[in-house]
Amino acid sequence: NAGVTQTPKFQVLKTGQSMTLQCAQDMNHNSMYWYRQDPGMGLRLIYYSASEGTTDKGEVPNGYNVSRLNKREFSLRLESAAPSQTSVYFCASSFIGQKGTEAFFGQGTRLTVV
Amino acid sequence: RKEVEQDPGPFNVPEGATVAFNCTYSNSASQSFFWYRQDCRKEPKLLMSVYSSGNEDGRFTAQLNRASQYISLLIRDSKLSDSATYLCVVNKVTGGYQKVTFGIGTKLQVIP
Repeated sequence: NAGVTQTPKFQVLKTGQSMTLQCAQDMNHNSMYWYRQDPGMGLRLIYYSASEGTTDKGEVPNGYNVSRLNKREFSLRLESAAPSQTSVYFCASSFIGQKGTEAFFGQGTRLTVV
Repeated sequence: RKEVEQDPGPFNVPEGATVAFNCTYSNSASQSFFWYRQDCRKEPKLLMSVYSSGNEDGRFTAQLNRASQYISLLIRDSKLSDSATYLCVVNKVTGGYQKVTFGIGTKLQVIP
């Protein structure tokens, strides 16, 4: 059981380059999330998808786009990378029960923009 | 005011000590609560859920006080392997969406 799989694990981009971070989960979860984690800032929500076909902005969406390709996959795209987007990115998924359940995380993508 | 507030620490404690972390949340409509553990350069992983009645898992005890909007985690007989960052997490389900809010995390360093 792979859980949540993120690719790539590491990436270095030049300012202005674009890239897509991939995320897939095999737990049949309906909700998926993208977070970034920076020192002293904690985990901040970039975008989320409550279910297949829906996406919504989180706390820090500027500079990012997302696609919920199907129930399993939720990708994050940086159209024109900036040094401020240097961070660790985590994808997560959860099943929505009546009161909410725990989120499961991928291993993270360490992105450096130079 | 942040939705979930935690003291970032670090808490430096000797092996065998008992240490407690606290967390407060601002949304009284929050529905479920968790503690996650995050090791350096790793993803967060669920440590335990938190219930109003209090719950225990080995050396770990979690407690929720809804009236005070306060969550706690107690670690007894600290081990070196307990060194990590502990994240307080608050969930609310609304309109089919689960809003998951993380605290900044409290760093624990257990010293030999």
